[in-house]
Amino acid sequence: SQQGEEDPQALSIQEGENATMNCSYKTSINNLQWYRQNSGRGLVHLILIRSNEREKHSGRLRVTLDTSKKSSSLLITASRAADTASYFCATGPSLVNYGGSQGNLIFGKGTKLSVKP
Amino acid sequence: GAGVSQTPSNKVTEKGKYVELRCDPISGHTALYWYRQSLGQGPEFLIYFQGTGAADDSGLPNDRFFAVRPEGSVSTLKIQRTERGDSAVYLCASSSHLAGTSTDTQYFGPGTRLTVL
Repeated sequence: SQQGEEDPQALSIQEGENATMNCSYKTSINNLQWYRQNSGRGLVHLILIRSNEREKHSGRLRVTLDTSKKSSSLLITASRAADTASYFCATGPSLVNYGGSQGNLIFGKGTKLSVKP
Repeated sequence: GAGVSQTPSNKVTEKGKYVELRCDPISGHTALYWYRQSLGQGPEFLIYFQGTGAADDSGLPNDRFFAVRPEGSVSTLKIQRTERGDSAVYLCASSSHLAGTSTDTQYFGPGTRLTVL
C-alpha cells in the first residue's frame, strides 16, 4: 500500500519558473525523502529531511516538512528543461511505531513535472 | 565508486516460467531492498535484508516470490510460475546505515523491466 500522495499529479511550467510539489502522508515518520525518476527507471535521491527538521536546502531545491500537518513540499527554483521527470516523496517509518525492524520506504504516486524550454 | 547495479535490464518471459533478477548493491552497504513499480505508480516495498537475513518480507505478494542474499552482498529475487500481473519494473536499493535511522538514504539501481507475456 502507498501512504503518500503527491499533489499535483502533473505539472507543466516554462523554463525559469519555479515548481512546487506537495506530499502528504498518514503515519508518523522518521524521515522524508524526495526522489526523481526519469523514464520510469532508476530513482535518484535528491534530499532527505529528518522528522525534527523543518526546512532543508540543496542547490536549487528547497524542502519543507510540517509533521503536525503530515505534509512536505519540494520547491525547484529556476527550473530547466532537464528537470523534466517524475518526483516522488518517500517516508521512512518511525522507530517508535515499528520497533526498529522496518526500514523500507513508503512512496507516493509521484508528480510528473514537465519543463518546457 | 560504482552504484547499485541490476541485471538483466529487461526480461521478457512467458506466463508460467521462472525468472531470477539480480542486484549488486553498493560495496559495504549492509541493507538491501527490493521494490516493485507498476506503470504510473510509485515503488512498492517487497522485501528488505539486513546482512544475509530477510529482516522484513511483508511486502512479498505471495509465495511465488522469494529472495535471497546468501553472502550479505548480491541478492537475487526469484519469481516462480510468473503471471501477467507480475509485469513491472523491479527496483533494488541499498543503504549503509542501520535501516530505520534518520539518515537512512537508499540508493537505487536502474531496475529490471519484467514483461510476462
